[in-house]
Amino acid sequence: DAGVIQSPRHEVTEMGQEVTLRCKPISGHNSLFWYRQTMMRGLELLIYFNNNVPIDDSGMPEDRFSAKMPNASFSTLKIQPSEPRDSAVYFCASGPTPPGANVLTFGAGSRLTVL
Amino acid sequence: KQEVTQIPAALSVPEGENLVLNCSFTDSAIYNLQWFRQDPGKGLTSLLLIQSSQREQTSGRLNASLDKSSGRSTLYIAASQPGDSATYLCAVPYNTDKLIFGTGTRLQVFP
Repeated sequence: DAGVIQSPRHEVTEMGQEVTLRCKPISGHNSLFWYRQTMMRGLELLIYFNNNVPIDDSGMPEDRFSAKMPNASFSTLKIQPSEPRDSAVYFCASGPTPPGANVLTFGAGSRLTVL
Repeated sequence: KQEVTQIPAALSVPEGENLVLNCSFTDSAIYNLQWFRQDPGKGLTSLLLIQSSQREQTSGRLNASLDKSSGRSTLYIAASQPGDSATYLCAVPYNTDKLIFGTGTRLQVFP
């Protein structure tokens, strides 16, 4: 298995533009997580899905952020409109259910810079 | 609410030293704890998973212990090497499904 695949690896955009980050989890994993990492706040959980259903999106900072998981092999995290404070590394991770009891596998991350 | 803290925030040591990294959590009702490693510009790699029924786990030169009652875990690295240089994070489950991460310890091992 190629692991958790994220794209793009790097994105530079201007304030106000729409940003879409993509994630392909490991086949057979039922849980998918989106995390955001910044120097100031460390790793923050944004949202997680179980069997393609959003279970907890309490970490999503505001309505500008949305996430979808249309099928078991694909998820997106969208920011519209983007702001400079959204600059961070966004990680996707997947794991078996229940995820807390098993090892999570992280993708390499998508580094977002909003100018 | 679960809060996870790691000390020290940064550590720089010469090669060969034995190291102890600390992790503290406020809610002791956890059923496991994980230690991860993160290399610069990379994702996280799971190192060790300790179940609540266990007191420690070992993998090569790494040994992690868990004391639920005191809300603490330690990661012991024996005979450190420059290749061990990375950020080490601990994480505990919250509300069963979510992993809450600590603030991390940035380790540098110099030759």
